Amino acid sequence: DQQVKQNSPSLSVQEGRISILNCDYTNSMFDYFLWYKKYPAEGPTFLISISSIKDKNEDGRFTVFLNKSAKHLSLHIVPSQPGDSAVYFCAGYGNKLVFGAGTILRVKS
Amino acid sequence: DAGVIQSPRHEVTEMGQEVTLRCKPISGHDYLFWYRQTMMRGLELLIYFNNNVPIDDSGMPEDRFSAKMPNASFSTLKIQPSEPRDSAVYFCASSYGQGLSSGANVLTFGAGSRLTVL
Repeated sequence: DQQVKQNSPSLSVQEGRISILNCDYTNSMFDYFLWYKKYPAEGPTFLISISSIKDKNEDGRFTVFLNKSAKHLSLHIVPSQPGDSAVYFCAGYGNKLVFGAGTILRVKS
Repeated sequence: DAGVIQSPRHEVTEMGQEVTLRCKPISGHDYLFWYRQTMMRGLELLIYFNNNVPIDDSGMPEDRFSAKMPNASFSTLKIQPSEPRDSAVYFCASSYGQGLSSGANVLTFGAGSRLTVL
């Protein structure tokens, strides 16, 4: 069973515009949600997280929104830059990190 | 710190052969994780250790897979015999502590070992 789902395999955005990556989850016991970014031939790196008791967390150009009633979270990147092109993984944390399948973001210049 | 070190970076082998992937975690980290990345399933947790002791191996797909952590600075993931469906990128990650607080204690991943089984 996939507890964390990223239903969009890829997303293409113009430089300077907003990128919105979505994630759905089924496990109500997750305490935190995290986003990781992965470049080719590298390991994933931590980007931003949010506690399950919050509905928003912001860090520079990155903002994560959590809608617990819908079991949905999203990552907003604004403005998008070509260097943001990567695979983005959503993850939920209960007693271990459970990742989604990832979304490939392409930011076109 | 050099980060999490994995070897080999690339491995091509034939079906039936034994494969051993290696990982050196960050010094001082007490948790070590093995993940597998595939196109279909994304990042799957295979097994994790705390203080060199396996805690949860429920993600290990079959008995063909085994993992060890003989000391705090070294872990191996072994596949014997390997099959084409094992082809994937295998990541090792480590962290200090398991609990998350304000986003702390997040995992640090290695660069991965790309395995191709022909």
